[in-house]
Amino acid sequence: EAGVTQSPTHLIKTRGQQVTLRCSPISGHTSVYWYQQALGLGLQFLLWYDEGEERNRGNFPPRFSGRQFPNYSSELNVNALELEDSALYLCASSWGGSGGRSETQYFGPGTRLLVL
Amino acid sequence: EDQVTQSPEALRLQEGESSSLNCSYTVSGLRGLFWYRQDPGKGPEFLFTLYSAGEEKEKERLKATLTKKESFLHITAPKPEDSATYLCLNSGGYQKVTFGTGTKLQVIP
Repeated sequence: EAGVTQSPTHLIKTRGQQVTLRCSPISGHTSVYWYQQALGLGLQFLLWYDEGEERNRGNFPPRFSGRQFPNYSSELNVNALELEDSALYLCASSWGGSGGRSETQYFGPGTRLLVL
Repeated sequence: EDQVTQSPEALRLQEGESSSLNCSYTVSGLRGLFWYRQDPGKGPEFLFTLYSAGEEKEKERLKATLTKKESFLHITAPKPEDSATYLCLNSGGYQKVTFGTGTKLQVIP
């Protein structure tokens, strides 16, 4: 069974540019999560999509946005890039939550973004 | 505010020297406690899911336990290939997820 895939694997941008990162979840999963992991830091929760709707977002400015498509794949968009946006961006997917329990998130390999 | 604290931040063990990693949390309405392993530059790899206090899960040299306030990841007779950063994730009130900052484990041959 194919795991979570992300593209591209690496990306170099300059400050002020815009970037789009893509994520394909495990087949059958309806929830997609995005995280930012800056070098040497922990995973910071960015966004959570389920069934095409944004369910929650972390403490990030509005220039971080995304969407989930009918096939449950997702995009993360970052506008007006800043140097501190350089990080590993991780996508995870899970089954939709049910019965009061959260489902296990399975992570992709990440996209390494460098902003110069 | 939901908080997740992992300790120690770093741990250096001799091969075969057993130890435990801690994940303590203040999360309202815990809906799941998840352990992951992360190698440098890669995505986290799922290890265990725990839902209820008293629950235990085992896999090879690893055993995860859960109480109402904390979870432990016990590593028995570790090998160098167990070297990685171990992360815990709490899912609390509806749609809230919080990762701990991790414990970086180094196992020396």
